Amino acid sequence: SAVISQKPSRDICQRGTSLTIQCQVDSQVTMMFWYRQQPGQSLTLIATANQGSEATYESGFVIDKFPISRPNLTFSTLTVSNMSPEDSSIYLCSVRDREYNSPLHFGNGTRLTVT
Amino acid sequence: QQQVKQSPQSLIVQKGGISIINCAYENTAFDYFPWYQQFPGKGPALLIAIRPDVSEKKEGRFTISFNKSAKQFSLHIMDSQPGDSATYFCAASFRGGAGTALIFGKGTTLSVSS
Repeated sequence: SAVISQKPSRDICQRGTSLTIQCQVDSQVTMMFWYRQQPGQSLTLIATANQGSEATYESGFVIDKFPISRPNLTFSTLTVSNMSPEDSSIYLCSVRDREYNSPLHFGNGTRLTVT
Repeated sequence: QQQVKQSPQSLIVQKGGISIINCAYENTAFDYFPWYQQFPGKGPALLIAIRPDVSEKKEGRFTISFNKSAKQFSLHIMDSQPGDSATYFCAASFRGGAGTALIFGKGTTLSVSS
């Protein structure tokens, strides 16, 4: 299965600042997704990162707050902009091949604390 | 319709016992049902998955039972071990375009006591 590396693994940021999270995969993958996992909660899909085009956002998430880039088939970034304490979460990159019912694999996430 | 409802929220099982976690869904378009295991500080890892054309799938001590008519599926962990203590998530997706994202249940925290 694909090996997914996320950077940073954790960060403490001040309110009003922005943080960019990087996701690097060791092989080319068709689909890349960004999830958020709030403390003790489930995983909520933020967006699908589309290679070479704008990301597809889920309801409740907007591009201005969570801009995403995906310049190629192995790399994506998620920026959390103008952070508030409510953004404190684990942000997870995940990848999946396009083949029907292929497994979804996750990185270890970025644990973000906003003070 | 997009929800996957998971129960119980937490579970305590004696070593050697059977752990059972249940999930239910509404959207009949769902056609892929995986279970994920997550340890603290780690991302979720795929444990086992099933498609609705079979009623049961077993991999080692882990079994998925699937009831299509009831729109329910469950994870059974046989001979539960302390190392199984983790959070378990059920999930579902449908072929609304290949490679669509998964929708997750709220998770079950399993503690296996020795």
